Amino acid sequence: EIVMTQSPATLSVSPGERATLSCRASQSVSNNLAWYQQKPGQAPRLLIYGTSTRATGIPGRLSGSGSGTEFTLTISSLQSEDFAVYYCHQYNSWPRTFGQGTKVEIK
Amino acid sequence: EVQLVESGGGLVQPGGSLRLSCAASGFTFSSYEMNWVRQAPGKGLEWVSYISSGSSTIYYADSVKGRFTISRDNAKNSLYLQMNSLRAEDTAVYYCARDWRWFGFWGQGTLVTVSS
Repeated sequence: EIVMTQSPATLSVSPGERATLSCRASQSVSNNLAWYQQKPGQAPRLLIYGTSTRATGIPGRLSGSGSGTEFTLTISSLQSEDFAVYYCHQYNSWPRTFGQGTKVEIK
Repeated sequence: EVQLVESGGGLVQPGGSLRLSCAASGFTFSSYEMNWVRQAPGKGLEWVSYISSGSSTIYYADSVKGRFTISRDNAKNSLYLQMNSLRAEDTAVYYCARDWRWFGFWGQGTLVTVSS
């Protein structure tokens, strides 16, 4: 099983600032990496797939990068709606696995 | 509009059984692979099970293998999860999610609580 490790667990950021979230895989997942956003009481929402392709309706201030075992989700200028928990997800092999999440909170 | 609506959750005693359903609409259900993903209270996401569009390929997480059974009825546009021998650690919100790679669409979830 591929273990996905996200850092940091919590990120405190002021509105308008840049946020950088990291995700590391225990072995290569090629570019088969997705990111989701989850707000309290809601289902996860797909943000990024294929490491860097934004899903429909996702704003350009969100971007994904990386390959192999190291991945990054960057939010260039945090808006109020961006404060949430973010999960990475590898779909290179079974079982599918998720990172433990990074909570982006208001500083 | 793609819609996935889960149902069947509730309170069940340890060792008991429950059957979850996911009703799909807004897309050709029989053409898409489906998954169950769960989230324990205050915890992260855990993939549970996958079924191919024609039910020929099925996978389970080790944590549920031998206890849970995924199935689908393409004529009824529905996905199911039969959960047997339930344990306290199965307590979670269970989501159905579409697609075999990234999960582009999710239901709102149904809560399963295993407690005496």
